[in-house]
Amino acid sequence: EAGVTQSPTHLIKTRGQQATLRCSPISGHTSVYWYQQALGLGLQFLLWYDEGEERNRGNFPPRFSGRQFPNYSSELNVNALELEDSALYLCASSWELPPGELFFGEGSRLTVL
Amino acid sequence: DAKTTQPPSMDCAEGRAANLPCNHSTISGNEYVYWYRQIHSQGPQYIIHGLKNNETNEMASLIITEDRKSSTLILPHATLRDTAVYYCIVRVYSGGSNYKLTFGKGTLLTVNP
Repeated sequence: EAGVTQSPTHLIKTRGQQATLRCSPISGHTSVYWYQQALGLGLQFLLWYDEGEERNRGNFPPRFSGRQFPNYSSELNVNALELEDSALYLCASSWELPPGELFFGEGSRLTVL
Repeated sequence: DAKTTQPPSMDCAEGRAANLPCNHSTISGNEYVYWYRQIHSQGPQYIIHGLKNNETNEMASLIITEDRKSSTLILPHATLRDTAVYYCIVRVYSGGSNYKLTFGKGTLLTVNP
């Protein structure tokens, strides 16, 4: 069974540009979660999508947005990139039944110059 | 969610069993114990979970004390690739809020040759 896959693995952008990150959940999982992990810091919850709808978002500005497609894959967009957006962006998926463990992808490393 | 306490770091010799403790003295009856690990610069990896009974899978064993106030993750034959930060998380499954699975500081396990 394939795990959560993310692309690209690495992405380098300059300030003001836009970045798009992609995630494919485990087959059968309908929920997708996005997290940001800046260097040396813990995971910060960004967004939760389920059945194509945004269900919740963390404390991030509106320039962080995304969507979930009918096949449950997801896309994270970061507009007007700032230097502090440099981080590992992690996607996770889960069942909606107990105990709801999260399965993470390997992440996309975004570097903003 | 119940608070957990883990030692900040532990060492283990390669080939020996690694026993990682976690205290969760305020755990309530419907809270699960989850274990994840994060190898440097990779996404967190789900290891195992339990509610009341001891659990074993291909990666590890989880021993939960009878009063559920503490647990131990056991890696039976640690390898160098098991060097990672291990997170013990206790929370209620509350359908659709899996993103709230928050990762504390965890235990840095270093497996030495």
